Parts: sequence; C-alpha cells; structure tokens
Amino acid sequence: DVKVTQSSRYLVKRTGEKVFLECVQDMDHENMFWYRQDPGLGLRLIYFSYDVKMKEKGDIPEGYSVSREKKERFSLILESASTNQTSMYLCASSEWGAGEKLFFGSGTQLSVL
Amino acid sequence: DAKTTQPNSMESNEEEPVHLPCNHSTISGTDYIHWYRQLPSQGPEYVIHGLTSNVNNRMASLAIAEDRKSSTLILHRATLRDAAVYYCIRDNYGQNFVFGPGTRLSVLP
Repeated sequence: DVKVTQSSRYLVKRTGEKVFLECVQDMDHENMFWYRQDPGLGLRLIYFSYDVKMKEKGDIPEGYSVSREKKERFSLILESASTNQTSMYLCASSEWGAGEKLFFGSGTQLSVL
Repeated sequence: DAKTTQPNSMESNEEEPVHLPCNHSTISGTDYIHWYRQLPSQGPEYVIHGLTSNVNNRMASLAIAEDRKSSTLILHRATLRDAAVYYCIRDNYGQNFVFGPGTRLSVLP
C-alpha cells in the first residue's frame, strides 16, 4: 500500500521557535506538496516540489520555506513560528504528469503558543 | 483562476443516491477534474477523476458536462461512512492542485 508519512501527529511550539515538519513518501513520486488547512478555508497550498532541490511557491508561502534534498523527503520549515501559523499541515505526493492522483499523509496539527 | 465552486453543504438519506455538483467554468482543455474526500481527522483521499468522458469506479461515478464547465460526483447509495467533505479540483498538469472549501455531506440514517 502506498504511504505518505508525516513525522508528528501533534506538535506544540512557542512563538519564535524554528519548526521542522517532515514528510516521507515511499512511492518514488516526483511531486510533493505542503498544504495547510484551517476551518472554513479548505486546503491552501504552501509550496510544492516537482523534483529534488526544486520548489515552487503555492498560494500562501509567506513565513514558510521548504527543503527537498532527497526524492522521498519534503520538509516544511517555519523559520520563526507565529501564532497565526497554528493549523493542520498536510503533506501529499503524486507522480509527474496530468491526471495523477494525490496521496495524502494524516496531517500534523501544529499549535504555536 | 484555478478555483472551482461547490455548495457549502448537502444532506442525503442513507441508501439514497447523492449528486454533488461542481462548477469549473474557466477550465482549460487539458485540465483533469479530480474529486477527493476528507473524513474527520484524516487527510483527504482520492475518489475519482476524469478528463472528458464519464468515469466509474468502485467508489463513485463522475459525470462531466459536454462543455466541461461543470461536473457531478455521484454516490449511488450513500452510507453513513460517506459523510465527509468532498473537494472538486482542477488538475493543472499535476503541479498545483487548488482546493476550495468543498462540500460537507451529511448522511442521515
């Protein structure tokens, strides 16, 4: 079975901390994505990557950066966490090309106090 | 604009068919239409997708309008386990899936 694994289900951090959210996929997918989900707003794309060391901004990249050093791993970095970054973060992956399915992880609920 | 438009919520009775509509009036000729659903406390899961023709799988059917400006996800017999938020998405060559707020489906016993 295909798998997208996010390192933590729940995370609590302090304002100003540097936060790393890790995502690993075992399907050899080219594309990986980070979304955040807030009540009433659906999923919003933060960043995506279509290859190792490649990244593209999504709709809401401000305050975030990403790293993709290996094909299977895509990290989301909050350089200096703020309370408005409290959210559910979802990682996804897909093969390259049109019409390919997205596979999601279970999500990380991040609380910034 | 890669967004789609869906009703905020819908209700269905158990074991009845459900038709979930989606408008994508600015869709381009090469955009696929995907449907995902999200059960409580889970990440979204794939339901179905298509380009021009209607599609069927074990979970649902997808009916795509001839002009491709709208589509309908059909659950043939709703069960309580189908209660979820359903997202209709345009696939811009697999690189920028844009999710809207989706449709929250309630299934009544």
